[in-house]
Amino acid sequence: EDKVVQSPLSLVVHEGDTVTLNCSYEVTNFRSLLWYKQEKKAPTFLFMLTSSGIEKKSGRLSSILDKKELFSILNITATQTGDSAVYLCAVSGGSNYKLTFGKGTLLTVNP
Amino acid sequence: DADVTQTPRNRITKTGKRIMLECSQTKGHDRMYWYRQDPGLGLQLIYYSFDVKDINKGEISDGYSVSRQAQAKFSLSLESAIPNQTALYFCATSETGLNNEQFFGPGTRLTVL
Repeated sequence: EDKVVQSPLSLVVHEGDTVTLNCSYEVTNFRSLLWYKQEKKAPTFLFMLTSSGIEKKSGRLSSILDKKELFSILNITATQTGDSAVYLCAVSGGSNYKLTFGKGTLLTVNP
Repeated sequence: DADVTQTPRNRITKTGKRIMLECSQTKGHDRMYWYRQDPGLGLQLIYYSFDVKDINKGEISDGYSVSRQAQAKFSLSLESAIPNQTALYFCATSETGLNNEQFFGPGTRLTVL
């Protein structure tokens, strides 16, 4: 059975801090790892990672994948209150391309 | 206009009632999915469909059924709703291919009393 584990489950920081969110996985026939941000609505796509060691970057957010150690990290630098959300990690694998989601990390950024 | 729409957005119903949640998309994607989200449990896959003639069970299909009426429409039914089906339900779509970013609808909040 495919498994995705995110840590920590929740995190409280102050504006300006840097945070690192973790995602480890066990999946047969790995295809890609995706990060989503969920505020009080539908998840919105952040990154898709398919290759080890290649950093994806968008503004203050960046992510990297390690296919040997089976994990990914999502970094957010200079956090802002608008970064407060649940961050979901999902992995695509197996023969049918469906996504398996982790439980998410709840990030709270206080002013 | 939103690419993936869900109706209704909120629904309160009683135990034993039949409920249908509907999803429509204008993205032209072949693949559609239904998830439920409970606090602290992430997104769990209920059913998915890779084209109009294809329906597959996900992790938690018991108590649910689906219908893919057209490429753009995928509905989820609860034949006899029970309180532990109270949750937030999301529809999602993706392109066909090896790496599939999924696009989510706005969600339906269902409460079963």
